[in-house]
Amino acid sequence: GAVVSQHPSWVICKSGTSVKIECRSLDFQATTMFWYRQFPKQSLMLMATSNEGSKATYEQGVEKDKFLINHASLTLSTLTVTSAHPEDSSFYICSGSPYRGPDTQYFGPGTRLTVL
Amino acid sequence: AQSVSQHNHHVILSEAASLELGCNYSYGGTVNLFWYVQYPGQHLQLLLKYFSGDPLVKGIKGFEAEFIKSKFSFNLRKPSVQWSDTAEYFCAVKSGNTGKLIFGQGTTLQVKP
Repeated sequence: GAVVSQHPSWVICKSGTSVKIECRSLDFQATTMFWYRQFPKQSLMLMATSNEGSKATYEQGVEKDKFLINHASLTLSTLTVTSAHPEDSSFYICSGSPYRGPDTQYFGPGTRLTVL
Repeated sequence: AQSVSQHNHHVILSEAASLELGCNYSYGGTVNLFWYVQYPGQHLQLLLKYFSGDPLVKGIKGFEAEFIKSKFSFNLRKPSVQWSDTAEYFCAVKSGNTGKLIFGQGTTLQVKP
């Protein structure tokens, strides 16, 4: 149980375009979802926290207008990278936290974004 | 600001060797502590966690970790590693009620058969 999926698993796009990444909790309701960014050989950096039906809370230094997060339902959150640039190339990982277990996060497999 | 430090960036062991990965955090309040593992090509999985009670926590696959409050440490141990333990290991800390996890830099463990 507690499976989180992400789509797509990898994406290549041209500079200036927008890319949407989906994060779904398949067998539980994720009241809270988190979006992380992972650079090669580095740790996960939290980008934002989103609660279903509310605006996302962004970490310091993360541009909310560039990384649009929508958490419209208890099983789906999306991250849209707007006007992507090569420096946005990274591995994006989401996680979901069940309503009854806010201390446990279940992670998705990640999405590799490459901006040309 | 809260931070998590993992001392070993890359560890190479032979099978059956004992493992200890260091993790220190900086936060004076109540913390929840986690170790996650990321096998090659797979997503992060929870190995074990500490919330309260017995500071020696046992997790999956024979791993354990000890919370030493006075040292702000939560080191991960396994008495005898296997080739299948080759993976990236992350220590993480959660404080307060936000649910936010702060991750360490990660340790790459390579186990030679």
